[in-house]
Amino acid sequence: DAKTTQPPSMDCAEGRAANLPCNHSTISGNEYVYWYRQIHSQGPQYIIHGLKNNETNEMASLIITEDRKSSTLILPHATLRDTAVYYCIVSPRDDKIIFGKGTRLHILP
Amino acid sequence: DVKVTQSSRYLVKRTGEKVFLECVQDMDHENMFWYRQDPGLGLRLIYFSYDVKMKEKGDIPEGYSVSREKKERFSLILESASTNQTSMYLCASRTRDRALFGPGTRLLVL
Repeated sequence: DAKTTQPPSMDCAEGRAANLPCNHSTISGNEYVYWYRQIHSQGPQYIIHGLKNNETNEMASLIITEDRKSSTLILPHATLRDTAVYYCIVSPRDDKIIFGKGTRLHILP
Repeated sequence: DVKVTQSSRYLVKRTGEKVFLECVQDMDHENMFWYRQDPGLGLRLIYFSYDVKMKEKGDIPEGYSVSREKKERFSLILESASTNQTSMYLCASRTRDRALFGPGTRLLVL
């Protein structure tokens, strides 16, 4: 079973920041938080990952709470192309990746 | 561009046939995975391999086997295809930090 809890769906207006929450209250010390997304009919795409510090790359920012029990993926300026299912996964490095149901993000024009 | 390739995008097979799905990566990754994706059930892990000739069962290995004779190639085998194996099959390989997925094979078993 997936170790994370995400809302099944969210809406966000185009051009606004999309904030996707994830709860992972049973995360272990050696587990990282990974985010992937899947655009319709394509394979999942890696977005970002982190251990305990906040991370930022060209796609998104990842905010991890101090107790590591939850995190938020931030897409700073959402576009229609960001419409996808977003998966939050906790896993040690080099381990198998187990997907949950994810959050279906709709970007509204 | 680094990539994961799958042998077919679409495949139609008959019940009882032996089916081979091939996955190749050009990134020298040790870990490779096979998933299937079905509406309402999400992505489910079938098998994964963490080195040549090494494999572990995922959540739904029944009816499948795998082969990894070379580091770059990970094959999924349906010994006797059944209609309930009609699905989208996705292969992935990973570094320590990220997984890269192939485009998927949509398999129809008649």
